[in-house]
Amino acid sequence: SQQGEEDPQALSIQEGENATMNCSYKTSINNLQWYRQNSGRGLVHLILIRSNEREKHSGRLRVTLDTSKKSSSLLITASRAADTASYFCATDTNSGGYQKVTFGIGTKLQVIP
Amino acid sequence: KAGVTQTPRYLIKTRGQQVTLSCSPISGHRSVSWYQQTPGQGLQFLFEYFSETQRNKGNFPGRFSGRQFSNSRSEMNVSTLELGDSALYLCASRLLAGAGGELFFGEGSRLTVL
Repeated sequence: SQQGEEDPQALSIQEGENATMNCSYKTSINNLQWYRQNSGRGLVHLILIRSNEREKHSGRLRVTLDTSKKSSSLLITASRAADTASYFCATDTNSGGYQKVTFGIGTKLQVIP
Repeated sequence: KAGVTQTPRYLIKTRGQQVTLSCSPISGHRSVSWYQQTPGQGLQFLFEYFSETQRNKGNFPGRFSGRQFSNSRSEMNVSTLELGDSALYLCASRLLAGAGGELFFGEGSRLTVL
């Protein structure tokens, strides 16, 4: 079952614009992570935000977390054609004494040059 | 440091056959997780191994199994293949199972079942 759900499922923007992707989840989390996947390749970790953090930045990425609404957003500023990829949120939750990482379905981002 | 290595990268099987996929984690990583990725379902968690023991399991039938060796390398096996098993199977490693933190993914094994 999916823990996270990304919104929108697809997004097309012009190069230079900002891209915002949202993620909602259902149960309490230890942390939330965002990953990127180029077509047919493995996933690459972008950023991790802990449950007691509200905002985190990394280069052109900004992630927010609202645990009261069980939601997170990923903002990519000044997008580039190379940002074209699928983006996934992943929640790290306790399961049977261990932490389990569950992914959403993803947002497919297309940046048009 | 070498990344996560998955073999084979591509394979074609027919219904009813079985398949074994292999994953070598990053050196020093003791946790290996497996995910199935299909266009409609996204990434579905299969299982996670740590110190040769399965720590977590997703909602997959018993046809899906795995194991981890003492050197942390892992294999997953799917028996009696069905058309719906066609997918990209991704392996990910991290240092410890219970410490959270980022997953490091391999490039995946793309399985096609005919």
